[in-house]
Amino acid sequence: DIQMTQSPSYVSASVGDTVTITCQASEDISSWLAWYQQKPGKVPKLLIYIASNLQTGVPSRFSGSGSGTAFSLTIRNLQPEDFATYYCQQGISFPFTFGPGTKVEIK
Amino acid sequence: QVQLQESGPGLVKPSQTLSLTCTVSGGSISDNKYYWNWIRQSAGKGLEWIGRMYASGTTNYNPSLKSRVAISIDTSKNQFSLNVNSVTAADTAVYYCARVPSAYDAFDIWGQGTMVTVSS
Repeated sequence: DIQMTQSPSYVSASVGDTVTITCQASEDISSWLAWYQQKPGKVPKLLIYIASNLQTGVPSRFSGSGSGTAFSLTIRNLQPEDFATYYCQQGISFPFTFGPGTKVEIK
Repeated sequence: QVQLQESGPGLVKPSQTLSLTCTVSGGSISDNKYYWNWIRQSAGKGLEWIGRMYASGTTNYNPSLKSRVAISIDTSKNQFSLNVNSVTAADTAVYYCARVPSAYDAFDIWGQGTMVTVSS
C-alpha cells in the first residue's frame, strides 16, 4: 500500500493567516492526489483533485501543488469557516489511501 | 444535484454480517462516468477506503478487507450495497458511500455517513 503522511499534524493560526500543509507519499503518485476538508461531525468535502485542480464551488484562497511524492495545500487569508481537519488522498493505485489529517485550529 | 444516502442497522453483533445500502438520487448509478465507493472512518484507523464498483459490475477491494467484503449494485433501484462478514469491534466506524468520477480518482460526493457499532 502507498503510505501517506502529513505535516504538521496540528497547526494553530489566526484569521487572515496563510497556512501550508504538506503531504508526502511513500512512492511516486504523479499528480493523483486530492485534498479534503472535514469539520467535526461532518462529511469530508473535496477541495482539490489531481494535485492542483480546484473543485467547483471551493474558494480560490485554497490552492494545491506538487507532484511525485511531495504535495502541499495552501490556504490564504484564513477564514473562520476554514478551521477544520484536512486530509490528503492518493488515487493512483489500490487501495486508495488517506493521510492521517492536519487539524487547523484558531490561535 | 446528485445525493447519496446510506441506510442500514446501527448495531451489529460480533461475527455477524454488516449490511449497508447507498441510495443515489438526482442521477443514474448506471452513468459510466462514475464509480461507486464505500469508505469508513474510525478513531483508530482514520479514513479507510473499502472498495468500489462500476455499474458494469467490476469491483475493486482493499486487500486488508477483501476476504470479508462484497459490494453489489442494483441499477433498477439506483442503489449499491456493502456487506462485511465476520465483523469484530475493529469494524466499528462511520461508513460512507461516495462517488468518484472516472476522470480523476477523488471522492467528489459523499453520503452523510452512518455509524455502525459492533457489539454484543
